[in-house]
Amino acid sequence: GENVEQHPSTLSVQEGDSAVIKCTYSDSASNYFPWYKQELGKRPQLIIDIRSNVGEKKDQRIAVTLNKTAKHFSLHITETQPEDSAVYFCAANYGQNFVFGPGTRLSVLP
Amino acid sequence: DAMVIQNPRYQVTQFGKPVTLSCSQTLNHNVMYWYQQKSSQAPKLLFHYYDKDFNNEADTPDNFQSRRPNTSFCFLDIRSPGLGDAAMYLCATSRDLAGETQYFGPGTRLLVL
Repeated sequence: GENVEQHPSTLSVQEGDSAVIKCTYSDSASNYFPWYKQELGKRPQLIIDIRSNVGEKKDQRIAVTLNKTAKHFSLHITETQPEDSAVYFCAANYGQNFVFGPGTRLSVLP
Repeated sequence: DAMVIQNPRYQVTQFGKPVTLSCSQTLNHNVMYWYQQKSSQAPKLLFHYYDKDFNNEADTPDNFQSRRPNTSFCFLDIRSPGLGDAAMYLCATSRDLAGETQYFGPGTRLLVL
């Protein structure tokens, strides 16, 4: 089945710096890769997604890149702010469902 | 405006006492999912409904059941909650399967005493 790995498990950055979270997946048939942000005690919220027919997508300070050959995809957050502090989950579709990565706890230090 | 609604937000039950969590959606999506999320872990899919078709994950315990009486509502029944079932239960919906965005509800945090 699909296996999604995510690194690092925790990440601390200074406010204004960039943060990068990387994921790998195993099933070459996966073609949809969402990223969710989950603040403490709240629901996962979709922040950006990418489909396998594109290599990069950007939305203001957030970007996602996809390397289908290597089965890697990454989340890039620029000019980080304290409100970016949360747990971030990557996911890949597998058959009819999604498999989530184990999550990255991002702390943005003021 | 809330699109995926879960009630209650917090639920306390006793060991072995059946409990039902509810989810409703205003998106008219075909698919409704139930996830279990324990502290500091990724959401774990329990099952999903595609319209009326029920799909159980292979490792979901028999203790967990679900009902979907209509498009808008879906219920999670835990027949005999154990201490290990204490978790956040998240409902999600998507328009379709296979690569459609999932929208999560706020979750119900279950405490088992």
